Amino acid sequence: GAGVSQTPSNKVTEKGKYVELRCDPISGHTALYWYRQSLGQGPEFLIYFQGTGAADDSGLPNDRFFAVRPEGSVSTLKIQRTERGDSAVYLCASSGQSNVLTFGAGSRLTVL
Amino acid sequence: AQSVTQLDSQVPVFEEAPVELRCNYSSSVSVYLFWYVQYPNQGLQLLLKYLSGSTLVKGINGFEAEFNKSQTSFHLRKPSVHISDTAEYFCAVSEGGGSNYKLTFGKGTLLTVNP
Repeated sequence: GAGVSQTPSNKVTEKGKYVELRCDPISGHTALYWYRQSLGQGPEFLIYFQGTGAADDSGLPNDRFFAVRPEGSVSTLKIQRTERGDSAVYLCASSGQSNVLTFGAGSRLTVL
Repeated sequence: AQSVTQLDSQVPVFEEAPVELRCNYSSSVSVYLFWYVQYPNQGLQLLLKYLSGSTLVKGINGFEAEFNKSQTSFHLRKPSVHISDTAEYFCAVSEGGGSNYKLTFGKGTLLTVNP
C-alpha cells in the first residue's frame, strides 16, 4: 500500500483481556518495527523484524507482549492479560533499503 | 546507551517568526540523527535526517538542522513559521551501522504557532 496501515485505530479493553494490534507495512519493505508511545513521552522501541524473524525483541517489556510476522508482511502485536499501564499508542513502522522508518498513524490502546 | 534531551517541552511563537527547537544527545558511538513531526491524530513524519557528510541538513517544509558533534546537538530551525507548522516535534538518534533501526526519541517539543 501507499503507507503503513494500522488497525484498529482505537481499542478500549478491560484489565486482564487479550488484545491484538495489526500492522500492514509498505509493500516491499522487509523491515518492520513496533514502538510504544505513552502519554507525554516519545516513542520507545519494542521489536524489530527482518523478514519473518524477530531480529531484536529487546524492547518488549515482559512476556505478556508478543509479536509475529508469519509471512514477512503483516505483523500482529499481541498483549495478554492487559494492565492499565499498557495504555498507550502503539506505533508500527517499516523501512526498505534506505533504512529510514515510515510510521503508521498508530493504534491507541486504553485499558480500563 | 544513548539518550536524547529536548530542552523545551513547549515553544509558542507568532506566525512568520523564526523558531529553533533544541535537541541534545549522548552516545558513545557515532550516530544518525533525525527530526520527526507528529500532527494531531497522525503518525510520525520524517522532517530530515543526518547520516554523514554536510553538517547542515535541509528537510521538508522549509526546516533545517545542524549537527554539532562537539556540542552533541542537532537543533531544528525554520526562519519563518506558519500556522500549519503547529505540531509536536521529536528528535531521535540511532547508532550507526547494524543497529541503526533502533531509534531513541526525546520527549518531544510542542510547537504552537499563533496568528
